[in-house]
Amino acid sequence: QKEVEQNSGPLSVPEGAIASLNCTYSDRGSQSFFWYRQYSGKSPELIMSIYSNGDKEDGRFTAQLNKASQYVSLLIRDSQPSDSATYLCAVSGGYSTLTFGKGTMLLVSP
Amino acid sequence: SQTIHQWPATLVQPVGSPLSLECTVEGTSNPNLYWYRQAAGRGLQLLFYSVGIGQISSEVPQNLSASRPQDRQFILSSKKLLLSDSGFYLCAWVTKYDEQFFGPGTRLTVL
Repeated sequence: QKEVEQNSGPLSVPEGAIASLNCTYSDRGSQSFFWYRQYSGKSPELIMSIYSNGDKEDGRFTAQLNKASQYVSLLIRDSQPSDSATYLCAVSGGYSTLTFGKGTMLLVSP
Repeated sequence: SQTIHQWPATLVQPVGSPLSLECTVEGTSNPNLYWYRQAAGRGLQLLFYSVGIGQISSEVPQNLSASRPQDRQFILSSKKLLLSDSGFYLCAWVTKYDEQFFGPGTRLTVL
């Protein structure tokens, strides 16, 4: 059974700091990796996708993938209170189905 | 652009009652569609997916069923709800890059 593991947190960082969120996965054959942000009571919102080893940057967000270590991470630079949410790591499988981690709660204090 | 709709937004149902949740997608044709459930304290769990009209794959055995009567319509049903069916039900479609986008969800409370 495919597994995706995340630290549940909460991860607390001050405003302006870098938040680092981590994720490990069990299926070595996985090809596509995603980070979603979910505010309380809302549906998940896709913020980053990554498909090859290395870093991918989009604004304040950087996703990092290391397939050999089966490790995905998300860095949020210049964290803002509006970034406070639960961040879900997801890994794709057959027919583009996704296996999700349970999420890491991020709290950014002003 | 693509839009995904779900209704109702919230639902409170008694144990043993039937359920029908609807999901429709606009702006794309023949999308793969997915139903997920997010229960309190648990992660997002894939329930069903469909690659076309009438084609349903079930990931988790339970008292729920799904149907896809039209290309852009995906329905989640139950004949008799259990307390354990409470949760946040999410429908999603996928792009050619494996990126899934979610609808606004239906929050179901079974009493």
